[in-house]
Amino acid sequence: NAGVTQTPKFQVLKTGQSMTLQCAQDMNHEYMSWYRQDPGMGLRLIHYSVGAGITDQGEVPNGYNVSRSTTEDFPLRLLSAAPSQTSVYFCASSYSMAGTGELFFGEGSRLTVL
Amino acid sequence: AQKITQTQPGMFVQEKEAVTLDCTYDTSDPSYGLFWYKQPSSGEMIFLIYQGSYDQQNATEGRYSLNFQKARKSANLVISASQLGDSAMYFCAMSLRGDTGRRALTFGSGTRLQVQP
Repeated sequence: NAGVTQTPKFQVLKTGQSMTLQCAQDMNHEYMSWYRQDPGMGLRLIHYSVGAGITDQGEVPNGYNVSRSTTEDFPLRLLSAAPSQTSVYFCASSYSMAGTGELFFGEGSRLTVL
Repeated sequence: AQKITQTQPGMFVQEKEAVTLDCTYDTSDPSYGLFWYKQPSSGEMIFLIYQGSYDQQNATEGRYSLNFQKARKSANLVISASQLGDSAMYFCAMSLRGDTGRRALTFGSGTRLQVQP
């Protein structure tokens, strides 16, 4: 079972460059989300989506864009990378947040912005 | 503001002893869910246990139990009979409705547990 797949696993960018972190899930989950985790800290919610065509901002949305054109994919775009965006990014999905809503996480993408 | 707080940055426990990791939350929404996740040094996130705000009994999953005290707004994780493999970061999380009415999961800052032989 593939579960939640994130690519790339590692990326180095220069300040000002743009890039897209890909996230795909094959569990037909309606809910998908992106988090960032800075060293020694918890996960902070960037954006989330409860279904195709619906996206919402989380705690730290600035500098990031998302779209949800299909149930399976939820890409995260960095518009103009900054050193403050150096972090580990996790994509997570769930069948629903209405019930038990267990999140299934990807393996993470480690981004370094120079 | 709705938030979730873990006040213990780090904890030590002897192997085979029980340990309690603290979590408090703040919300005015009567409907919410509380979760605990484990993150080993390898980095993956592992779901441990869930408690719904309307659940009457404390949740249990094997050696994990959630001590849910609704009036005190606390959801502490109890690990019984600690094992060396329990050494990890532990995150408390809460599912809440945002401004749009749609739910999302918010995490605390985590507690690093070290189990000593």
